[in-house]
Amino acid sequence: AQSVAQPEDQVNVAEGNPLTVKCTYSVSGNPYLFWYVQYPNRGLQFLLKYITGDNLVKGSYGFEAEFNKSQTSFHLKKPSALVSDSALYFCAVRDSRGSQGNLIFGKGTKLSVKP
Amino acid sequence: GAGVSQTPSNKVTEKGKYVELRCDPISGHTALYWYRQSLGQGPEFLIYFQGTGAADDSGLPNDRFFAVRPEGSVSTLKIQRTERGDSAVYLCASSLISAATSGVNEQFFGPGTRLTVL
Repeated sequence: AQSVAQPEDQVNVAEGNPLTVKCTYSVSGNPYLFWYVQYPNRGLQFLLKYITGDNLVKGSYGFEAEFNKSQTSFHLKKPSALVSDSALYFCAVRDSRGSQGNLIFGKGTKLSVKP
Repeated sequence: GAGVSQTPSNKVTEKGKYVELRCDPISGHTALYWYRQSLGQGPEFLIYFQGTGAADDSGLPNDRFFAVRPEGSVSTLKIQRTERGDSAVYLCASSLISAATSGVNEQFFGPGTRLTVL
């Protein structure tokens, strides 16, 4: 069965410092991986995805993520955090062998960036 | 352009009542998805439509839950005999499925409907 783990409930970072939000996954086939961000009282917004190819994926708002097959990880990163990055971040995976619709989400990591 | 819209934004009902939640996807998006998000959790897949038909309804928790998309655009999620445990935010998403992308385009989410069952 496919699953996603976000081991940290909360990540605290000072503005200007690099940030990492961790995600590991488990699928039987090849993974399709996604990061979404959720701001208070707003819908989930797509940040980036990994389907195939280059392991380093660049996305919206300066975020990037690195696919590591051996560690089954897809950590979200940003070189310099902004206070406005504070939000709830979700990692999601779909098994390439599975239903096109069935995205499995992690339980989310709250990112808090302090000035 | 217009994103995914969901109505109502909030719905309060009593245990045992019937509710309908509506989703208007992005125009031209052939795929539509329903998820349920409980407090402190990530979205949980319920059902996926490709056009008018339900391509995968494996996430529906029981037969009290049903969804339709009769014309391949707007979708309605229907919950019969609501229970307190049905209280959650119900999210709808849509995406464009194409052969060129092997069906792995990102999903665009609506703001959700917060359902409270008293």
